[in-house]
Amino acid sequence: KAGVTQTPRYLIKTRGQQVTLSCSPISGHRSVSWYQQTPGQGLQFLFEYFSETQRNKGNFPGRFSGRQFSNSRSEMNVSTLELGDSALYLCASSDEAVRNTIYFGEGSWLTVV
Amino acid sequence: QKEVEQNSGPLSVPEGAIASLNCTYSDRGSQSFFWYRQYSGKSPELIMFIYSNGDKEDGRFTAQLNKASQYVSLLIRDSQPSDSATYLCAVSPGLTGGGNKLTFGTGTQLKVEL
Repeated sequence: KAGVTQTPRYLIKTRGQQVTLSCSPISGHRSVSWYQQTPGQGLQFLFEYFSETQRNKGNFPGRFSGRQFSNSRSEMNVSTLELGDSALYLCASSDEAVRNTIYFGEGSWLTVV
Repeated sequence: QKEVEQNSGPLSVPEGAIASLNCTYSDRGSQSFFWYRQYSGKSPELIMFIYSNGDKEDGRFTAQLNKASQYVSLLIRDSQPSDSATYLCAVSPGLTGGGNKLTFGTGTQLKVEL
């Protein structure tokens, strides 16, 4: 069974640009959540989607947004990039039917210059 | 007060010893507790989860939960150099997959020395 797949793995953007990251969950998993990891703040929850609906949201500005498609694939978008957005962005998928199954993808490394 | 607290370490243990990693949390409503292992430059890997008071064993790993004390720990028996990594404690408000909003500690760096 394939794991959580995130693309792109590495990218460099310029301040002010926007970026879209993609996540394909484990087959059968319908919940997708996104996290940001930085050396200073650690791992922080961004948002969670289930059945195309945002179910939970973390404390991030509106520049951070996401969506989920009918096939459970998810995208997150960051607009007007700032230097502080440089981070590892992690996607996690979960099976609602099986307790406590939250698995992470390999992440997308974003560098903002 | 941070929601999930861990000693950042590094925690150094000799090969073959027991490594004990600790975590406290502030939200008494928390229901599920996770331990993830993260190697440098890699994503977190789920080691164990626990939601009932007491011990839960899986191979060389034992998770311990004490909800009254708001304390969760991870014991690694027969520590190996390959166990050297950062261990992240995470807490969720939900019992099912619906509680996927994980709050993480900052992690404890474990070093297993030969």
